[in-house]
Amino acid sequence: GNSVTQMEGPVTLSEEAFLTINCTYTATGYPSLFWYVQYPGEGLQLLLKATKADDKGSNKGFEATYRKETTSFHLEKGSVQVSDSAVYFCALHGGATNKLIFGTGTLLAVQP
Amino acid sequence: NAGVTQTPKFQVLKTGQSMTLQCAQDMNHEYMSWYRQDPGMGLRLIHYSVGAGITDQGEVPNGYNVSRSTTEDFPLRLLSAAPSQTSVYFCASSRLVKMTASSYNSPLHFGNGTRLTVT
Repeated sequence: GNSVTQMEGPVTLSEEAFLTINCTYTATGYPSLFWYVQYPGEGLQLLLKATKADDKGSNKGFEATYRKETTSFHLEKGSVQVSDSAVYFCALHGGATNKLIFGTGTLLAVQP
Repeated sequence: NAGVTQTPKFQVLKTGQSMTLQCAQDMNHEYMSWYRQDPGMGLRLIHYSVGAGITDQGEVPNGYNVSRSTTEDFPLRLLSAAPSQTSVYFCASSRLVKMTASSYNSPLHFGNGTRLTVT
């Protein structure tokens, strides 16, 4: 079945450092891929998405490219801020079902 | 702009008690779902619904019931609470966008969660 694998956290970075959070997936067909962010005490919010191969999703300085050849959707940001501290979830939606499958989440802690 | 509203925010139950977690959305979304979030497990889908009168099971449905009598509301019922159901529960909704022969959801809108402890 469909699944999503994320790098384990926590990831601790200094402000202005470069961020990569790895995400790989297993799916049949042509899934849509998402990154969600969860700030402390809140529900999840959509950060960015990509619906087909080679699409790049971007928002708030974050980017992720849908790589079908490597089944990956890694999240990147060139210069993180303290306010980016949150849990980041990679997610997959397979076309044949209405279910969104989440990875386990990666905690990012950015220190000033 | 209420979005997705979950109540209560916190709840403590004794083993064997029953309760209903409420979820309401005011965006006329067809799709609604319940997830539980546990450390190291990410979010796991409990039940979902693609419209009023239609519900289906997710990854971890046992011990939970749902119904969808209206588009707006999607309550989650615990019939006999167990300590294994201690978790944070999130309700989420979205439009249901059809694409050719398949369907996919537009991005989910999440409520702020209900933290449930079962002792």
